[in-house]
Amino acid sequence: NAGVMQNPRHLVRRRGQEARLRCSPMKGHSHVYWYRQLPEEGLKFMVYLQKENIIDESGMPKERFSAEFPKEGPSILRIQQVVRGDSAAYFCASSVGQGARNEQFFGPGTRLTVL
Amino acid sequence: AQKVTQAQTEISVVEKEDVTLDCVYETRDTTYYLFWYKQPPSGELVFLIRRNSFDEQNEISGRYSWNFQKSTSSFNFTITASQVVDSAVYFCALTRNTGNQFYFGTGTSLTVIP
Repeated sequence: NAGVMQNPRHLVRRRGQEARLRCSPMKGHSHVYWYRQLPEEGLKFMVYLQKENIIDESGMPKERFSAEFPKEGPSILRIQQVVRGDSAAYFCASSVGQGARNEQFFGPGTRLTVL
Repeated sequence: AQKVTQAQTEISVVEKEDVTLDCVYETRDTTYYLFWYKQPPSGELVFLIRRNSFDEQNEISGRYSWNFQKSTSSFNFTITASQVVDSAVYFCALTRNTGNQFYFGTGTSLTVIP
């Protein structure tokens, strides 16, 4: 049973470009979470999605960031018109159900560098 | 509001020494879960332990042990006889029973010197 997959592992973008980060949850998991880790900081929650629905996006920046989790395929975190401050590690986690009883399994992260 | 504080930013110890990483949390919930994760230099997050708020028993796993004290809202992590491979950033985190997100501390960077 493969773990949470994220790709790419490293992504370099120039200011103004778009970044697309992909997350494939563990098999059987329909809940996906995205976290951002800025340099020298802990992880901060961004968004929680179930298949085709955004459940909680309280941690998402209001502009340029969006997330989806379609019926088929991976979850996508999309950052439009990237700026240097977007440089960070983005982690995806998945769980089989909602709530803290259901352990969240983390992917290896995507390290975004904005030049 | 939920908050996790890891006051120790960086710790250095010599190999074979014991080291304790502190974690203090804040929540008004009566039911919650506490976690420790290890982040080695390669960057991935490695799950170490999950503890729910009703289980105050201390836990030992090999050289790792955890001390959960509800009275002081602390969930400290001790590594006995540290090894170079223990060098990593360690994160403490909290989730609410009904919540969907982790609240992470800022991490403690541990360096074990050979």
